[in-house]
Formats: sequence, C-alpha cells, structure tokens
Amino acid sequence: GDSVTQMEGPVTLSEEAFLTINCTYTATGYPSLFWYVQYPGEGLQLLLKATKADDKGSNKGFEATYRKETTSFHLEKGSVQVSDSAVYFCALLNFNKFYFGSGTKLNVKP
Amino acid sequence: NAGVTQTPKFRVLKTGQSMTLLCAQDMNHEYMYWYRQDPGMGLRLIHYSVGEGTTAKGEVPDGYNVSRLKKQNFLLGLESAAPSQTSVYFCASRGLAASYEQYFGPGTRLTVT
Repeated sequence: GDSVTQMEGPVTLSEEAFLTINCTYTATGYPSLFWYVQYPGEGLQLLLKATKADDKGSNKGFEATYRKETTSFHLEKGSVQVSDSAVYFCALLNFNKFYFGSGTKLNVKP
Repeated sequence: NAGVTQTPKFRVLKTGQSMTLLCAQDMNHEYMYWYRQDPGMGLRLIHYSVGEGTTAKGEVPDGYNVSRLKKQNFLLGLESAAPSQTSVYFCASRGLAASYEQYFGPGTRLTVT
C-alpha cells in the first residue's frame, strides 16, 4: 500500500543553519505531496505542496521538489529561525486518502 | 468563520464505555477525515467521507464508527473503548479537487483507563 517515510528526529540546529528533512514515498498512480507543520498543542497546518512531478512547492522560505525518479520530496530551508521549531510531517494524497510520515521534530537554538 | 472545530477537547473514559467525538466545519467542504496521532507514528487515517451521507474506511478503522448525516458534521464513535484507543484525535476537511489543502481541527485528547 501507499506509505511515507521520513527521517527520524529530533533535528537540532543553530539559528541560520541550513535545514534538510528527507522524505520518500511509495504510491501507485500519481499522488500529490505535502509538508505540514505542527506547533505544540495545535493541529497540523499546510506548509507547502506539489501536485505533479518536478513541481516545486515553497512557502515562508521552505521549499521541496517532487522527484518522481527518486520518489522523494525533501524539505529544505536555507536559514532556519527559532520560530521554525516544530514537528514537520510529510504526506501524500492518493485516491482521496492521505498518508502521513511519522514526523520530524525540529529544534532551533538561538 | 470558525474553520474546523472539535468537541470535546479532552476526555477520560473507562474501558468499555462509549462516546462520540464531534467535528464541525463551516467551509462547505465535501471531504472530511478522522485521524489518530500516536507518538512516533504520525497521523493515521481512521475513516473519511467524500460527501454527505457517505463514509469509507481508512488505515485503522477497527473499533470506530462514523456518520455524516449533515455536510458540516462528521461524528466519530467508540462503542466500547479500549486502552489502545488512547490517542489524540484530529478531524480535517477539504474542498473538492481544486483545493487540496486540508484544514485541521485543534484535536481531542482521549485517555482510556
């Protein structure tokens, strides 16, 4: 069945460091791919999305490219801030169902 | 515009008790979803609905039932709660294919003792 695998955390970085969180997927057909962010005590919020191969999603300095050849959708940010500390989830949508990765906690230190 | 709301926010049940979680959305969305979130496991889809009067099973449907009698509401029921159902439950909704974004509720923390 469809599934998403993302790197385990926590990831601890200093402010202004470069961020990469790896995400790979398994799916039939042509899924859409997403990154969600969850702050403590809250629901998930959409961070960015890509709906077809080679699309790049971007938002708030974060970006991810839909790579069909490597079935990947890695999240990157050039310079993280303390306010980026949260849990990040990679997800795919296929045939009306969403599948989520296990989440990666990011801690950014001043 | 409240978005997606969930009631209650917290609940403690004893094994074997029943309860219903209510999700309401005011965005006229067609699709609604129930997830559970457990530590280290991300979100897993329990049941979902593609429109009023329809429901379908997700990844982990056992022990849960759902109903979508009105477009704006999606109810999740536990007929006989078990400790394995201790979790945080999230509801989400989204519009038709033109908008893939899911909007999440704030969650319900359920403990079964």
